[in-house]
Amino acid sequence: AQSVTQLDSHVSVSEGTPVLLRCNYSSSYSPSLFWYVQHPNKGLQLLLKYTSAATLVKGINGFEAEFKKSETSFHLTKPSAHMSDAAEYFCVVSGDYGGSQGNLIFGKGTKLSVKP
Amino acid sequence: DTEVTQTPKHLVMGMTNKKSLKCEQHMGHRAMYWYKQKAKKPPELMFVYSYEKLSINESVPSRFSPECPNSSLLNLHLHALQPEDSALYLCASSQPSRGNYEQYFGPGTRLTVT
Repeated sequence: AQSVTQLDSHVSVSEGTPVLLRCNYSSSYSPSLFWYVQHPNKGLQLLLKYTSAATLVKGINGFEAEFKKSETSFHLTKPSAHMSDAAEYFCVVSGDYGGSQGNLIFGKGTKLSVKP
Repeated sequence: DTEVTQTPKHLVMGMTNKKSLKCEQHMGHRAMYWYKQKAKKPPELMFVYSYEKLSINESVPSRFSPECPNSSLLNLHLHALQPEDSALYLCASSQPSRGNYEQYFGPGTRLTVT
């Protein structure tokens, strides 16, 4: 069975400093992994995805994540935080109902706060 | 165009009302999903439609009734809801092909049951 653990429920950084949001996953096969962002009272936006190609994945808004199989991790980073990055971030692993469509298994989320 | 639209944005309904949520996508996706999201929680999967057929129902109470009239539209019919059903309801779509699992989400409908 697949699962995902986001190691921090809340991360607070100052504007202009690096961001690190940590995620570990468990999967019985080679997974697809995603990071989604949700701003207050909004839907979820796909930031980036890993699907067994390059292990360093670049996403939108300057975010990137590195897939490390040996550590079963998929941490999200950004070199310099912006005020607009304040949001809830979900690490997600693809499940498998055995069919061609995948269900998504969500972590509990990490709330990112950015201080001026 | 990677947009999924949902209407209405907000809905307030009494426990005896009947209402419907609507979702639309024009990306040619053939899988569509309904999720329920409570405050400060991740989304919970409710239903999955694949090629307009209901393929997954996550033991959702019968007061929620999904419908997929065509490949672009997804409805969620609501009847006799309870206050605990108040939540953000998210629609998503994806291509139902192996290895292509990312889902695109709409902005959601904020439902309040009084």
